[in-house]
Formats: sequence, C-alpha cells, structure tokens
Amino acid sequence: NAGVTQTPKFQVLKTGQSMTLQCAQDMNHEYMSWYRQDPGMGLRLIHYSVGAGITDQGEVPNGYNVSRSTTEDFPLRLLSAAPSQTSVYFCASSYSTRGQGNSPLHFGNGTRLTVT
Amino acid sequence: GENVEQHPSTLSVQEGDSAVIKCTYSDSASNYFPWYKQELGKGPQLIIDIRSNVGEKKDQRIAVTLNKTAKHFSLHITETQPEDSAVYFCVMNSGYSTLTFGKGTMLLVSP
Repeated sequence: NAGVTQTPKFQVLKTGQSMTLQCAQDMNHEYMSWYRQDPGMGLRLIHYSVGAGITDQGEVPNGYNVSRSTTEDFPLRLLSAAPSQTSVYFCASSYSTRGQGNSPLHFGNGTRLTVT
Repeated sequence: GENVEQHPSTLSVQEGDSAVIKCTYSDSASNYFPWYKQELGKGPQLIIDIRSNVGEKKDQRIAVTLNKTAKHFSLHITETQPEDSAVYFCVMNSGYSTLTFGKGTMLLVSP
C-alpha cells in the first residue's frame, strides 16, 4: 500500500510557466484535497474533491485548477506560475466525505515548488 | 473563513518533561478537533482526535482536552522524548468538507 503519492518532490519554475503537480492514492478514498504550506501560515486549503467529477474551492484557490476524472488521481495545475506560489504543496485524502469528521486525512510527502 | 489560534509557536522542553499546546477557535458549529504531527520533510500525520461529545481523550503519552463552552482545546504530551520533536498542528472542521489548520507549534525536546 503506497498511500498518497506526490510527484515531483522538487520543482523550479520561471514566472509564467505552467505545470501540473501529480497526486495519486491507492486507498479508494472518495475525498481528496490540496494544501499549501508557507512559513508561519500553517496549511491552507486550495481545492478539494468529494468524489470523481466533483471539485470545489478552498481558502486560497486563485491561480490553481484541479480536476477529478478518477477516484485515484487529483492533479493540481498552475496555469501561469507566480513567485507568490512558491510553497510546499501537500495532497491529502480520506475515505469520508461527510463533514470531514469521520476519518483522518492521509498526506503525501509534499512537492517543494520554487518560482523565480 | 473560520480561524483557529494556536500557542505557543515554539516550545522547548527537556526530555521527560511535559508539553502543552493550546488552541482557541471561533466557530461554535465545529465538532471535530484532530491533532497532526509533522516531521521534517514529511506530510502531517494524525496523532489523536476528539469529538465535541467528549471532554478528554488519552492515547498512551498523548492526551487532548476540549472545552466547548470556552472554545479551546489542548494537546498534552507527557514524558517527552527526543522523537517527539516535530511541528504539531491543531485542526478543526469548518464547513461541510473542510478542515482549518492552526499555524503550528515547533516542539523541540532536548536530551
């Protein structure tokens, strides 16, 4: 059981470039989400999905797109990278979609993104 | 959005001492309060959680207390060990499918 797998581990982009952060889970979890972690800010929710074909915005969605075509995958797209998007990005999943009060979030090990 | 305040931001203790981290929140509808531990270079991992119908929960050296009236909850670690050194996050549910994280406490346990 691999759990939640994120690729790549590290990425450097120039301003204006686009890229996709990959996230896959093999636990058949319905709920998946993306967080960004910045120093002194904790983790902030970018987008989340309660099942295939369903996505919604979190606290800081601007500049990011997501899609959920399968239960296993939840990629995060940066269409035009900006220095303000320099951060560590975490993908997380859980088996419950009901108010997030029933099951723990399982996190990947993160992607460290630098935008110059 | 909903907010959770976490204190202290850093905490240094000697091995064997106890450590306490406190969080306060504003959303009276929150009913789920997990705590996550994040080691260097890894994603956060759930260590304990508590629901609003319970005032205290223990798991070996870790305990969490919840005061819904005062809207605060705390993490207690007894007999701290160097491997307890990490960043700890208090979390609460806010909205139907979202969790709000505190800003984290860096705990350093010195041998």
